[in-house]
Amino acid sequence: AQTVTQSQPEMSVQEAETVTLSCTYDTSESDYYLFWYKQPPSRQMILVIRQEAYKQQNATENRFSVNFQKAAKSFSLKISDSQLGDAAMYFCAYRINGNKLVFGAGTILRVKS
Amino acid sequence: GAVVSQHPSRVICKSGTSVKIECRSLDFQATTMFWYRQFPKQSLMLMATSNEGSKATYEQGVEKDKFLINHASLTLSTLTVTSAHPEDSSFYICSARDRGLLDTQYFGPGTRLTVL
Repeated sequence: AQTVTQSQPEMSVQEAETVTLSCTYDTSESDYYLFWYKQPPSRQMILVIRQEAYKQQNATENRFSVNFQKAAKSFSLKISDSQLGDAAMYFCAYRINGNKLVFGAGTILRVKS
Repeated sequence: GAVVSQHPSRVICKSGTSVKIECRSLDFQATTMFWYRQFPKQSLMLMATSNEGSKATYEQGVEKDKFLINHASLTLSTLTVTSAHPEDSSFYICSARDRGLLDTQYFGPGTRLTVL
């Protein structure tokens, strides 16, 4: 069975600093997708970034980037120049082509001003 | 990104009544939609996968007769909680799969159900 593990229940970062959220997953598949979703207090799930497993290049979206280590089955999210609006619950998720998302337990990110 | 709406955003009902929640993809067609349940400070738990024109696929442990899912069109899926009880109180979230270039799931804003 596919599993996604987020080992950090909570993280804190100072405004304008950089923070990295960890995620590991377990799969026997070679072709899959990985995602980071953000859930702010409004509880609206927002797609932050996605990574196709066949791509070696790490995905980036403005201040958000990932460190995808396929052999280690690791998919961490780096948030640079953290802003107050980044405070949220972050979920790492895994998907085999076409199938359902498997979510990690989530990491609460607090941003200090 | 694509937009998915949910209605209602909040509902309070009496025990024993049924509640219908709608999920709509507003700017794309979604042959597949998903229904999740989320408890406070916890992850999303997939309840069922809704496929347009066919029966929904339920996850293990989810009562299909209690949580009725209908996906009658390419833009609308509904979840009906039948004979609701206080233990059904939760936050319900839908998502819709956009099979376009990025093949990504987009989420609705969620519905908070409170059963008295």
